Amino acid sequence: EAQVTQNPRYLITVTGKKLTVTCSQNMNHEYMSWYRQDPGLGLRQIYYSMNVEVTDKGDVPEGYKVSRKEKRNFPLILESPSPNQTSLYFCASSYRAGRAVQGYTFGSGTRLTVV
Amino acid sequence: AQSVTQPDIHITVSEGASLELRCNYSYGATPYLFWYVQSPGQGLQLLLKYFSGDTLVQGIKGFEAEFKRSQSSFNLRKPSVHWSDAAEYFCAVGPYNNNDMRFGAGTRLTVKP
Repeated sequence: EAQVTQNPRYLITVTGKKLTVTCSQNMNHEYMSWYRQDPGLGLRQIYYSMNVEVTDKGDVPEGYKVSRKEKRNFPLILESPSPNQTSLYFCASSYRAGRAVQGYTFGSGTRLTVV
Repeated sequence: AQSVTQPDIHITVSEGASLELRCNYSYGATPYLFWYVQSPGQGLQLLLKYFSGDTLVQGIKGFEAEFKRSQSSFNLRKPSVHWSDAAEYFCAVGPYNNNDMRFGAGTRLTVKP
């Protein structure tokens, strides 16, 4: 089944303890992205990757890191989490057909709580 | 800067009634427009997209959307709503390479029996 897999689904952590949320897609998509979803704000892009070793900042990159060493994986790293990073996180992937990149396929989300 | 506005935070319709969810965008170039649906506890699923050509686009689950450049709108419609359509709906706009895709804040749809 074509999918984007995020782990973990739920995570409670303490301020300052480094964590990684993994994201993997099995569709050979070149484009991958991380979003956070907060009530009333919709989805905001954290980081974006157009291909292996190519990443770019989105709207809200502060406090986050990413890497794209392999095409299928795009982990999100919080070096020193803070309570304002408590949110629902989504990884998504997409591909190009012709000139345009198609819509995203989203993972099921990771609900992160930082206490 | 590009942006998306979904004016309705919450809409309630009766099952079997028609539905229209509004989306207005601000974008300096040719927009690529999307509608997504998010069921409770789930990720987002793509309903339909508009890139060019026919301004009325058909999507999955019986949804359609119409692009109106003069009104900067991309409203989502469904002729007859089913209880299973209760969810949150997001409109999104982006450039051709998706590197700056913007989502609206979402519209939560409640379906009354």
